[in-house]
Amino acid sequence: QKEVEQDPGPLSVPEGAIVSLNCTYSNSAFQYFMWYRQYSRKGPELLMYTYSSGNKEDGRFTAQVDKSSKYISLFIRDSQPSDSATYLCAMSAINNNDMRFGAGTRLTVKP
Amino acid sequence: EPEVTQTPSHQVTQMGQEVILRCVPISNHLYFYWYRQILGQKVEFLVSFYNNEISEKSEIFDDQFSVERPDGSNFTLKIRSTKLEDSAMYFCASSDTGRYTFGSGTRLTVV
Repeated sequence: QKEVEQDPGPLSVPEGAIVSLNCTYSNSAFQYFMWYRQYSRKGPELLMYTYSSGNKEDGRFTAQVDKSSKYISLFIRDSQPSDSATYLCAMSAINNNDMRFGAGTRLTVKP
Repeated sequence: EPEVTQTPSHQVTQMGQEVILRCVPISNHLYFYWYRQILGQKVEFLVSFYNNEISEKSEIFDDQFSVERPDGSNFTLKIRSTKLEDSAMYFCASSDTGRYTFGSGTRLTVV
């Protein structure tokens, strides 16, 4: 079983739709959960950062972590064409210095 | 906003040659990382560096690779005897409290 699993998509939605992106993981030591956005040929850009379980909201973005199910989600409300990118989940354990990425989901928001 | 700077943005090298990829992390960050992303594949952890020594490394990071912090600002990745399969985007990142900031990457092409 891969340590971090993420459906690579591609995912295509109309402008204004709610987007749901998900990852599952197997390592119960993971405590920090991140979502990154990556545009083509660019480095990952941190979108959301969550410690342990719970929800976090930032503008149109909401991150959810369910440690009991080892499942994390990112919701994008009122999606825009500029949200078109690859979204990477990532996670790390406390006192570990390596962060593990999911495969990334390629999202296209059509005008 | 502070940035992680990587140079060069694109490096072409002949198979068997040595390359040095350079990074300037955010100045008050203490942890430094190299990640690799082969075209169309996931972002893979290579190595983390703290207090002037390697703290974690992946199975990818074998004797062909080395890292160095030659002065107070630069962080380098050296790849010896490059192979075709080393062609990838190489991302440097730095962090303080677990929030990673990535550079824009160096595209390495081995011909």
